[in-house]
Order: sequence, then structure tokens, then C-alpha cells
Amino acid sequence: NAGVTQTPKFQVLKTGQSMTLQCAQDMNHNSMYWYRQDPGMGLRLIYYSASEGTTDKGEVPNGYNVSRLNKREFSLRLESAAPSQTSVYFCASSEGNLGYTFGSGTRLTVV
Amino acid sequence: RKEVEQDPGPFNVPEGATVAFNCTYSNSASQSFFWYRQDCRKEPKLLMSVYSSGNEDGRFTAQLNRASQYISLLIRDSKLSDSATYLCVVRASSGTYKYIFGTGTRLKVLA
Repeated sequence: NAGVTQTPKFQVLKTGQSMTLQCAQDMNHNSMYWYRQDPGMGLRLIYYSASEGTTDKGEVPNGYNVSRLNKREFSLRLESAAPSQTSVYFCASSEGNLGYTFGSGTRLTVV
Repeated sequence: RKEVEQDPGPFNVPEGATVAFNCTYSNSASQSFFWYRQDCRKEPKLLMSVYSSGNEDGRFTAQLNRASQYISLLIRDSKLSDSATYLCVVRASSGTYKYIFGTGTRLKVLA
């Protein structure tokens, strides 16, 4: 049982480059999320998808787009990366009131 | 005021000690509460949910005080392996899929 799988685990981008972070879950959860974690800031919600076919902005959506491709997959796209987007990105899924299951994270550096 | 606040620590305790963390939340309508554990450079993992009547899981006890709007985590007989950051997580209301994370309390258990 893989849970939540994120790819890639590490990435270095140049300013202005684009990339997509992939996330897939095999727990049949309805809700999926993208967070970023920065030192001293805690986890901040970028976007979430309450169910297949819906997406909503979280606390820090600027500079990001998302796609809920199907029930399993929720991708995060950076169209034009900026150094301020250097962070650790976590995907998570949930069902009901059972809390989140997180992926192992993507460490992104923008130079 | 932050929606969820935690003392960042670090709490340095000897093996075998009992340690307690508190977490305050600002939204009195908050519905669900959790403690997560995050090891260095890893994803957060659910430690335990927090129920109104309080609940225990082995050496870990969680309490909820709705009147004062805080939750607590008590760890008895601390082990070296308990060293981690403990995140307080609050679900704002029953109508939201979003969970608010505290910035975490760092625990170091010393030999």
C-alpha cells in the first residue's frame, strides 16, 4: 500500500523555468491538498481539491496552478519559478474526519 | 493572532521524563483536532486524534479544553526516538476540508 506518492523528490530550477509536481494516492480518498513548508512558517496550504472535478485556492496560491486529473492524481504546476518558491512541497489526501496522509515531499530549489 | 499557536521549543528533556505541549486555537467553532509528528526532513505523520473526552495511546495522552481553546499532548517515559517536531492541527469547522497547522514544537530527548 503506497499511500501518497510524490515525484520528483528533489528538483533544482532556474528562475523562470516551469515544472509540474506530481501526486497520486491509492487510498480512494476524495480530498487532496498541496502544502509548502518553510522554516518558521509551518505548513501553508497552496491549493486543495475537495473532490474530483473541484479545486480551490488556499492560503498562498499565487504563482501556482493545479489540476485534479482524476480521483487519484492531483498535480501542482509552477509556470514561472521564482526564488521565493524555494521550499519543501507536500501533497496530502484525506477522507472524512480522519486527518491527512502526506507524501514524502519534494525539495525544490529555484536559483 | 495566529489561528493555531504552539511554543516552538526546543524542549530538551532526559530519557524517562514526562513532557507536555500545549497548542491554542483561535476559532471557537473548530471541530477536529490532531497531533502530528514530523521527523527532520520527513513528512508529517498522524500521531493521534484528540477527542473531547481526552484519549490515550500508550505513552501519549491528548486532551482538549474547549472553554480555553487549547489542546495538549503529554508524553510519559520519553524515549530517544520521541525526538521530533510535534504539530498541532485543527480543522476549522465541519463545512471545510482545510486543516490549519501550527508551526510545531520541537522535542529533544537526551540520553
